Amino acid sequence: ETGVTQTPRHLVMGMTNKKSLKCEQHLGHNAMYWYKQSAKKPLELMFVYSLEERVENNSVPSRFSPECPNSSHLFLHLHTLQPEDSALYLCASSRRQNTGELFFGEGSRLTVL
Amino acid sequence: GDSVTQMEGPVTLSEEAFLTINCTYTATGYPSLFWYVQYPGEGLQLLLKATKADDKGSNKGFEATYRKETTSFHLEKGSVQVSDSAVYFCALSSGGSNYKLTFGKGTLLTVNP
Repeated sequence: ETGVTQTPRHLVMGMTNKKSLKCEQHLGHNAMYWYKQSAKKPLELMFVYSLEERVENNSVPSRFSPECPNSSHLFLHLHTLQPEDSALYLCASSRRQNTGELFFGEGSRLTVL
Repeated sequence: GDSVTQMEGPVTLSEEAFLTINCTYTATGYPSLFWYVQYPGEGLQLLLKATKADDKGSNKGFEATYRKETTSFHLEKGSVQVSDSAVYFCALSSGGSNYKLTFGKGTLLTVNP
């Protein structure tokens, strides 16, 4: 138990569906992150939120839309995805933004048909 | 830009064997260096870190030394166990206002009894 909880753990969706991934951290951290993990590729940083403000959007397609309503919750809204978006999506948090000490959730395995 | 290069896996060892996973990096300034581990079906966990040259990070019998002259941060363990089977990621953080944690591609370690 890392203190970062992601739901759902597995998600299968069609290309025309709209779904959301949820992340919650119970650590009192001020920064939250979305990473994409694909086979045989380095982890890709997608979004960074610090004190609920988005501080980085790493050239991510607009079909991925993040939302951070408060410092404990982070969402990733998904719509009109492509099969190549199938991956493990990892949420992480840290005490503050400029540290490499991240606490990761177990991930949401997304399959786009 | 920053980059991390890890030895290609997979690595397969027998229990009690010596482990080395090589990691070299390219970065501007003086980065902090990290090893993360991902056990099957889980998210990443911080294993150890080093924040300046010649620092040695250690945890759970693993250790790595920050070598500025060779830009390396190799992971070692003297006697691996079956429970060490996982994917290991080397990472660096440049810090500052352009904070970003850069990961290597990961090395799969399998330890057989």
